[in-house]
Amino acid sequence: DAEITQSPRHKITETGRQVTLACHQTWNHNNMFWYRQDLGHGLRLIHYSYGVQDTNKGEVSDGYSVSRSNTEDLPLTLESAASSQTSVYFCASSPLGSNEKLFFGSGTQLSVL
Amino acid sequence: GENVEQHPSTLSVQEGDSAVIKCTYSDSASNYFPWYKQELGKRPQLIIDIRSNVGEKKDQRIAVTLNKTAKHFSLHITETQPEDSAVYFCAATNTGNQFYFGTGTSLTVIP
Repeated sequence: DAEITQSPRHKITETGRQVTLACHQTWNHNNMFWYRQDLGHGLRLIHYSYGVQDTNKGEVSDGYSVSRSNTEDLPLTLESAASSQTSVYFCASSPLGSNEKLFFGSGTQLSVL
Repeated sequence: GENVEQHPSTLSVQEGDSAVIKCTYSDSASNYFPWYKQELGKRPQLIIDIRSNVGEKKDQRIAVTLNKTAKHFSLHITETQPEDSAVYFCAATNTGNQFYFGTGTSLTVIP
């Protein structure tokens, strides 16, 4: 069955380290998104991509980067992890076109100590 | 950009009672409004959605209403059950590809 998977499920890192979170989907969806979820803030968009080689900044993109070299993957990189980036990170995808629902991955709990 | 506000942030109801969660949006161009349910430790999952050309949509015990003039939409859950306990998120989109989420409502159904 098609799916969207994130890895790792849990990650503990130290301040200043580079961290990459993986997101892989097998639906052949053009659109992929990264959100962070924090209490009191809901889901906030970090970066998104509408297709290969396309990346865009969301509302909380500072300190994060993404790359889209193929349809299936959108890795999220924290260039120099900060304690403020401790959060739960969700990847999501949707088919090309208007008003299509988002399919979420199972999330990555990241702790920056 | 779009701004989605959601109320209340927490809601407790007795089993069998109804629950209502409200959201407002700012961009009159928004035309699709989904609701997601997130159980503890799980991923958000779509439970119901409504498009701007419809005023109300029902699916068994859940319904969503949309008032385009006032720019608000609501989720209604009737005959609540303990398994309805979760965090609910509303969202709005005007481009069809970028979603703006509310801050979530933690619903507790008391048996």
